[in-house]
Amino acid sequence: GAVVSQHPSRVICKSGTSVKIECRSLDFQATTMFWYRQFPKKSLMLMATSNEGSKATYEQGVEKDKFLINHASLTLSTLTVTSAHPEDSSFYICSARVQGVSTGELFFGEGSRLTVL
Amino acid sequence: SQQGEEDPQALSIQEGENATMNCSYKTSINNLQWYRQNSGRGLVHLILIRSNEREKHSGRLRVTLDTSKKSSSLLITASRAADTASYFCATLYSGAGSYQLTFGKGTKLSVIP
Repeated sequence: GAVVSQHPSRVICKSGTSVKIECRSLDFQATTMFWYRQFPKKSLMLMATSNEGSKATYEQGVEKDKFLINHASLTLSTLTVTSAHPEDSSFYICSARVQGVSTGELFFGEGSRLTVL
Repeated sequence: SQQGEEDPQALSIQEGENATMNCSYKTSINNLQWYRQNSGRGLVHLILIRSNEREKHSGRLRVTLDTSKKSSSLLITASRAADTASYFCATLYSGAGSYQLTFGKGTKLSVIP
């Protein structure tokens, strides 16, 4: 199956700093990638849809200036948590659709656990 | 919202038993997908059933879909300890340039050796 690589898997940062998480599709092109946030023992909450070459589409309630998304190529999307605070601590997961496949199944990265001190 | 709702929220069974998880949703869909998540890891796609299908098998997995009741079930037969994970259903609606895959809250399955 298609492989999505997410990096870093764990990151600890101080309050006020910014953290960048990368999501790469390794063996396929992904015009669309999705960023989710998952709280402990909860489901995935879609944060935004990342579109290659255009602005990301954010879900209601997600601050676009707080969570910067860039999808500069067909294989890479990045999520930058700016001026991170302890309440931003969470598990962030990216996923991607295979370009040209209509069934809609997603391939997920392994997730990034962010801890803001 | 057409978010899927799984039940039960948690399920604990003995190895070798069958595990059944249910999912209900609210609006029309193109397909329904089941994913698995090991603790602290990403999700892995298990199986997809289209809206015009009623049942699908893949190895020890059996999925049913009842669009009249807007519900689906995932059956894992002859469970193993390695099946311990959280299982999520996700409903896909796509059309007119939109794509919306919505995840349910998940069922946490524990298989006791």
